[in-house]
Amino acid sequence: AQSVTQPDIHITVSEGASLELRCNYSYGATPYLFWYVQSPGQGLQLLLKYFSGDTLVQGIKGFEAEFKRSQSSFNLRKPSVHWSDAAEYFCASNNAGNMLTFGGGTRLMVKP
Amino acid sequence: EAGVAQSPRYKIIEKRQSVAFWCNPISGHATLYWYQQILGQGPKLLIQFQNNGVVDDSQLPKDRFSAERLKGVDSTLKIQPAKLEDSAVYLCASSVTGKAQYFGPGTRLTVL
Repeated sequence: AQSVTQPDIHITVSEGASLELRCNYSYGATPYLFWYVQSPGQGLQLLLKYFSGDTLVQGIKGFEAEFKRSQSSFNLRKPSVHWSDAAEYFCASNNAGNMLTFGGGTRLMVKP
Repeated sequence: EAGVAQSPRYKIIEKRQSVAFWCNPISGHATLYWYQQILGQGPKLLIQFQNNGVVDDSQLPKDRFSAERLKGVDSTLKIQPAKLEDSAVYLCASSVTGKAQYFGPGTRLTVL
């Protein structure tokens, strides 16, 4: 069975600093990979997705993620964090059957 | 383009009562999903529809949960009778088959 691991439950960064959120997946073939963001009381918003091709994926709000097959990772990055980026971030993967498997989430806090 | 709509946004009930949630997916999206998100966790798939047929309901507690998608558009998720452990956010998502899922704002259920 596929699984997604987000090793960091909480991360705190200063506003303007760079950010990297880690995600590791477990799946035999190359899965489809996603990052979602969830603000308090809101649903999940899709930040970016990887299906195939270029391993560096650009998303909305200045986020990008890099697929590394050798490390089974799909880490999310942003060069300069804004206070409005404080939220919970979920990495997810799915197989050909479309069932999404989510990681446990990483809560991002931004210090002024 | 309108997003996924859900109602109600909040619901408080007592245990053993019944409750229903409604979801209207993005127009043209054949696949519809219901997820349960318990506080502090990632979403867990309850049921997946392709048009008006069930694709996967392996994680749906069928003794108390039911869902339907009549006419392949709107969907309703019902809990009867509710238990304390059903307190969670219920998220609806939709997708073009094989592509990224887009989520609604969710319904926060509190069972007292």
